[in-house]
Parts: sequence; C-alpha cells; structure tokens
Amino acid sequence: AQSVSQHNHHVILSEAASLELGCNYSYGGTVNLFWYVQYPGQHLQLLLKYFSGDPLVKGIKGFEAEFIKSKFSFNLRKPSVQWSDTAEYFCAAWATSGTYKYIFGTGTRLKVLA
Amino acid sequence: EPEVTQTPSHQVTQMGQEVILRCVPISNHLYFYWYRQILGQKVEFLVSFYNNEISEKSEIFDDQFSVERPDGSNFTLKIRSTKLEDSAMYFCASSEAGGGSYEQYFGPGTRLTVT
Repeated sequence: AQSVSQHNHHVILSEAASLELGCNYSYGGTVNLFWYVQYPGQHLQLLLKYFSGDPLVKGIKGFEAEFIKSKFSFNLRKPSVQWSDTAEYFCAAWATSGTYKYIFGTGTRLKVLA
Repeated sequence: EPEVTQTPSHQVTQMGQEVILRCVPISNHLYFYWYRQILGQKVEFLVSFYNNEISEKSEIFDDQFSVERPDGSNFTLKIRSTKLEDSAMYFCASSEAGGGSYEQYFGPGTRLTVT
C-alpha cells in the first residue's frame, strides 16, 4: 500500500543551523511529491512540489527538496534556518493512478531557537 | 490571496451527538476534500467531492460521515453520532481540478473534541 514516512518527529535547531527533514514514500509507480508547512494557528501551505524534471526543486522561503528515485526519498533542506521557520512540516505524495487523495506523512515539528 | 476557511476553529461535543463542520472552499475550485489528523498521527484522507457527488472515500469514511455542498459556497462534513475516537483536527481542502497536478489548498482546520 502507498505510504509516506517522516522519520524525524521533533527537531530543535538553533538559528543559522542547516536543516534536513527526511521523507520516504513507498509506491512503485509515478508519484507527485509535496512539502507543506503549517505555522502555528495557520493553514497548511505548499512549500514546494515535484512532478517531473529536475530532481532538485526550489520552493518558497529558501527551502529546497531533492527527489532521489532510487531511494524513494524527497528530503527537505534549508541551509540556514530562522526563528520564523518554527512550524510543522508535512511531506505528501499523490500517486498518478486515478486517485484524488494525498497521502501524508506524520509531520515533523521544527522548533528554531533564537 | 483567496483562502479556504473553516468554522468553527474548535468544537467540543458529547459522544453520540451530531456535529457539522463547515468549510468555504476557494470560489473557482471544483474539487473539495476532507482530511483529518488524530493527535500525533498522520494526516489521513477522508473524502473527495466533485460535481455534487463523492468521487473517492477512504475506509474511515463510514456511514457515520456524510458530506454536502448545500449552496454555492459551503462544503460541510457531518458526523452523525460522534465517538471518542473521532476527536481530531479536520482539514478541508479544495483544488481547481482533480489529480495530483493541481495543488490542494487547505483550510486552518477544525479541532473536534469528543467527550
């Protein structure tokens, strides 16, 4: 069955530290991949998405993610985090098989210390 | 920028009661969705809705659940007889069209607490 795994549930970093959040999916076919962020009290917002082409995808707010097909991974990175990046981050996948739903990971709660 | 809105932000109800969660999708969107997140667990798909009918639903979406678009703007999720395990954050989403090529825009969620 299709699934998405996020291995880091809670991450605490100091400002200016580099960030990498892991995301792995299990699906043998073509997938579209997404990272969403939810700031406290706000909507889930799309950070970036991968459909095809260049496996290194750049998103908003300095985030990027790399799709590695051989590892079934789509890790989120940011070279230097800010206090304002404190939020919950969700990886999601959509399988191109006639379904309408996103499959989400459990989310990673990031806290950045000023 | 257009947003998906949800009301109420927090609903407390007693077991066995009916609740209706409301959502206003983005106005030109055609596909609507409900997801839920039980505390500490994954965001799970419940149902998608298009052209006034359910296009896909998960095994969670049993006979206790129903969705409706009662007018041109609202999209509701009804839980007929709530159980303790229905306590969760419920997210509404909408997209211009179906399929993963179209971004789903999410609302802020309604926290449902069943006591």
